[in-house]
Order: sequence, then C-alpha cells, then structure tokens
Amino acid sequence: EVQLVESGGGLVQPGGSLRLSCVASGFTFNNYAMSWVRQAPGKGLEWVSVVTGRHGTPTYRDSVEGRFTMSRDNSKSTTYLQLNSLRAEDTAIYYCAKGVEAAIAPDAFDLWGQGTLVTVAS
Amino acid sequence: DVHLTQSPSFLSASVGERVTITCRASQGISSFLAWYQQKPEKAPKLLIYSASILQSGVPSRFSGSGSGTEFTLTISSLQPEDFATYYCQQFNFYPLTFGGGTKVEV
Repeated sequence: EVQLVESGGGLVQPGGSLRLSCVASGFTFNNYAMSWVRQAPGKGLEWVSVVTGRHGTPTYRDSVEGRFTMSRDNSKSTTYLQLNSLRAEDTAIYYCAKGVEAAIAPDAFDLWGQGTLVTVAS
Repeated sequence: DVHLTQSPSFLSASVGERVTITCRASQGISSFLAWYQQKPEKAPKLLIYSASILQSGVPSRFSGSGSGTEFTLTISSLQPEDFATYYCQQFNFYPLTFGGGTKVEV
C-alpha cells in the first residue's frame, strides 16, 4: 500500500525538542523529494521544509531555519524532522508529504500522511 | 515570498451549482500551481497539478486553468462530497506557499 505514516508528536514545553518521523511505503522512496507541511489549529497550510531525494539536501522556511533539521534515511524509507527551541507558534499538526514527480523539487504533493500533533505549551 | 490570495474565503453553494475559486499570485509563477481539497480532520488531497492537470482518480467535474498570476479552480456541478476547504499552492519558488483557503459550504 502506498502510504506515509508519521509519528513523534506530543506535548512539549517552550524551548524543548521533539523528533518527528515519517515512514514511507509503496513507492521508490529515494526518487522523490519529501516535505513537511504544518497546520496550526483552525488555520491554513504552511510549508516547513523539504529534503531532496538522492542527495538529501534540505531547504527550510525562514521561521524554522536554525531550529529545525530535516533529514532522510533512504535505507529505511524514512524522513525525519528534528524540532529544537520550540515556540508556542510551532503548535500544529505536522504532515509529511511526497513530491509529485521523481527527482523534482520544488514540487506539489500527491501523497500525505495522517499528520502528527505537536503542542508547545507550559 | 510569493503571496497567494484566494477568493472568496467562504462560498455558500447548493448541490448541482457551478463553483469557481480564484487564486492570485503576487508574482508570476508560470503554471507551477496546485489545488488541494481538505475535509475536517483529514490530510489535504491533491486535485489539480501544474494549473490544469487533473490528478489520477479525481472526478472530471474538477478543472483548473490559468498561468502567470491568475488561476481558477472550477467544480462544474457541486456534489455533496465536495463541501470542504480548498487551497492553492505554488511550487515555483521557495518557500513553497499556500493560499489562505476557500471554505465551500451549504
């Protein structure tokens, strides 16, 4: 089955850290760029970061640059998002998403996970 | 950053109606635009890719058009399962950006 399954969300205090994981199945993982997209409660969608397929080069939105680190392990068909120095405004559902076309980035997203909720509060 | 402005933000419609949603980009993005549908508590679903390419499995009542800075999503005959929030997204430049969303309700 073609799917993405996220894990690792939870409640964390401001300044804390979390590591999100996204396990892919049903497609040739290393061919596609993978992104994280978040959605604050009741709000719209916000792209967070992308990592390219073969070389694993990450790109981030400005507001998370230096605090978040995205990586991938193609041998495990898994992408990760390390969240450090978390702020209240990082509270959101975090989705991982697969690029539409192989070896293309930036791209749109044709496969999304179910999301994992990150809550930053004291 | 490329700012995407969707209009309207809310749309009240009936089953069978033709619905059009507009997405305007703050700068030219060629045809690097996608449309998504999101239902409550669910992940977004890709409907249209590269402004006008219907994603596999998406009903043909959905269509997209436009290039440059102005794009439209049209639902030719609204069905009960189409009541949802719709987002546009540009993938020409980083950071990737989404429109603010259009909620289609009864």
